[in-house]
Amino acid sequence: KAGVTQTPRYLIKTRGQQVTLSCSPISGHRSVSWYQQTPGQGLQFLFEYFSETQRNKGNFPGRFSGRQFSNSRSEMNVSTLELGDSALYLCASKLLESRMGETQYFGPGTRLLVL
Amino acid sequence: GESVGLHLPTLSVQEGDNSIINCAYSNSASDYFIWYKQESGKGPQFIIDIRSNMDKRQGQRVTVLLNKTVKHLSLQIAATQPGDSAVYFCAEKRSGGSNYKLTFGKGTLLTVNP
Repeated sequence: KAGVTQTPRYLIKTRGQQVTLSCSPISGHRSVSWYQQTPGQGLQFLFEYFSETQRNKGNFPGRFSGRQFSNSRSEMNVSTLELGDSALYLCASKLLESRMGETQYFGPGTRLLVL
Repeated sequence: GESVGLHLPTLSVQEGDNSIINCAYSNSASDYFIWYKQESGKGPQFIIDIRSNMDKRQGQRVTVLLNKTVKHLSLQIAATQPGDSAVYFCAEKRSGGSNYKLTFGKGTLLTVNP
C-alpha cells in the first residue's frame, strides 16, 4: 500500500504570495492532519480534516486554511506569505477521526522557503 | 539530507549501548503520549505510545516510561544501532472528542557512533 504523498516536495515563494500544498493520504484513510515544523517551534498542529470537514484546528492565523475532497485528498493554503512561514509542512493520515491509540502516518513533507 | 533540528538537545551513544531520551510534558490532563522518530528528509514515524493509566510499555527494543507525578516521559532504546540515528519527538494528547490537542516536544537528536 502506498504511503502518504505530498506535492510539491520543495517550493520557493516570495513574501505576499500565496501557496497551495497537496496531500494524498494512504488509501482508505479518511482523516488528514497538517503540521508545520520549524527549528524554533518544532512540530505544531495546524488542522485536521475528516469527511471533508475541518474537525480540529491549532493556533494559527486565518491565513492558513485547508480543505479535503471527497476522495480524502487534502490541500492546505497559505495566503499573504511571510518570511516566518518558511517551514516543513507535514501531512499525516489515519483511518478514522481523532482516536487515541490509532497510529497516524506522516508524509515526507513539503519544504517551503519564503524569500 | 535535510536537518529539521538545528536547535535540539543532542545525545550521542556508542553502537550497542542503551539510549534514554527524556521528555517533560506540561499538562496534567494529557491522557495519551506518543514517541516519534524522524530521520533526515523524512516525516515522523510512530514508535510507541502509552496511555496515562499505564506507567510502562514495551515494544521491540524500545520501552516507554511514564511518570505522571513529575510529568516526565522517557524512551529507552536497547542495543542502539546506527539506524536509530534520528530526531526523536514526544507528543502529548488531551482527549475531548474531536477537540483534542496534540502537542509535540522540540525533539532530541540521537547520534549513534559505530
